[in-house]
Amino acid sequence: QKEVEQDPGPLSVPEGAIVSLNCTYSNSAFQYFMWYRQYSRKGPELLMYTYSSGNKEDGRFTAQVDKSSKYISLFIRDSQPSDSATYLCAMNQMNRDDKIIFGKGTRLHILP
Amino acid sequence: DTGVSQNPRHKITKRGQNVTFRCDPISEHNRLYWYRQTLGQGPEFLTYFQNEAQLEKSRLLSDRFSAERPKGSFSTLEIQRTEQGDSAMYLCASSFAPLEVTEAFFGQGTRLTVV
Repeated sequence: QKEVEQDPGPLSVPEGAIVSLNCTYSNSAFQYFMWYRQYSRKGPELLMYTYSSGNKEDGRFTAQVDKSSKYISLFIRDSQPSDSATYLCAMNQMNRDDKIIFGKGTRLHILP
Repeated sequence: DTGVSQNPRHKITKRGQNVTFRCDPISEHNRLYWYRQTLGQGPEFLTYFQNEAQLEKSRLLSDRFSAERPKGSFSTLEIQRTEQGDSAMYLCASSFAPLEVTEAFFGQGTRLTVV
């Protein structure tokens, strides 16, 4: 079992819809959770990060972490065609000597 | 400082040749990561540095790969005797980790094509 699982999609939704992106993980030591957006042929861009369980909101984006289920989500409200990209979840253990582990990424298409 | 800078952006090389990539992190960042990404996959961890110390190297990384960060600032990643399977996007990221804050910022990557 991979440490971080993410459905690669593609996921196609109409403009204005609410998008739900998810990841599951196996390492209960993960405490720091990040979402990156990556446009084609570009480097990943940090969208949001959360520590431990709970919700965090930033504009149209909401990140949720459920550590008991080892499940994290990113919600995008009022989706726009410019949101079309690959969304990568990432996480680590938040100690000094630990690397960041990524999911495969979910390709998202917002249809105008 | 506009972010993490990687050079070159693209590299085409013949199989068997050596290549070297450079990464300049955000200036105050003490942690630097190298990742490799192939089409349809997420970034795969290669190695990372805390200042000039290389803290971890992926078991997936063959001996043909070596990375340095000699003065704790920029880093280089060298691939010796390149193979077609090395074709990928090589991503560098940096972060500032005084305690446990570890969100990483990425460069635009170096796309390597081995022919």
